[in-house]
Amino acid sequence: NAGVTQTPKFQVLKTGQSMTLQCAQDMNHNSMYWYRQDPGMGLRLIYYSASEGTTDKGEVPNGYNVSRLNKREFSLRLESAAPSQTSVYFCASTGGGGLQPQHFGDGTRLSIL
Amino acid sequence: DAKTTQPPSMDCAEGRAANLPCNHSTISGNEYVYWYRQIHSQGPQYIIHGLKNNETNEMASLIITEDRKSSTLILPHATLRDTAVYYCIVRGYGGSQGNLIFGKGTKLSVKP
Repeated sequence: NAGVTQTPKFQVLKTGQSMTLQCAQDMNHNSMYWYRQDPGMGLRLIYYSASEGTTDKGEVPNGYNVSRLNKREFSLRLESAAPSQTSVYFCASTGGGGLQPQHFGDGTRLSIL
Repeated sequence: DAKTTQPPSMDCAEGRAANLPCNHSTISGNEYVYWYRQIHSQGPQYIIHGLKNNETNEMASLIITEDRKSSTLILPHATLRDTAVYYCIVRGYGGSQGNLIFGKGTKLSVKP
């Protein structure tokens, strides 16, 4: 089973460029999440989507937009990348019931010069 | 801010039990304790969760104190592959309360 798939795995951008990080899950999960992780830190929630058609801000949403394209896919867009957005980005998903564990992808390592 | 407090690092000898403590003194009645781990910058991996009873699965055991203000994750026979950062997270039910708030975790080093 693929689980949560993130693309690309690595990316280098220049300041001011735009980029969309892709995430897809094949577990028929309702909820999906985007996190960022800076060196030596825990993960911080950027945006989440509790169900298809809804999105909500997390702890650190500034500089990002998201789209819940369908039940499987949840994308994260950087409209004008800044060096402060250099990080590792993780996507996660979880099924219904509110207490189901989140399943994580392997991450996208993004560097902005 | 994370609702939990964990030691920043711990060592454990290979083959011995690893006992990872977590304090969550402000936990409310409807919040669960979850444990995840992250191996070498991979995506976090779910380990176990519980409300008030002790829980065991194929990976670990979770012991929650009677007052629910602290818990311990036990890896019964640690191996080198258990070297990771372990996160203890308090999680509520539904809406934004169901979101995970990660602290810095405990870096467990299993040594031969």
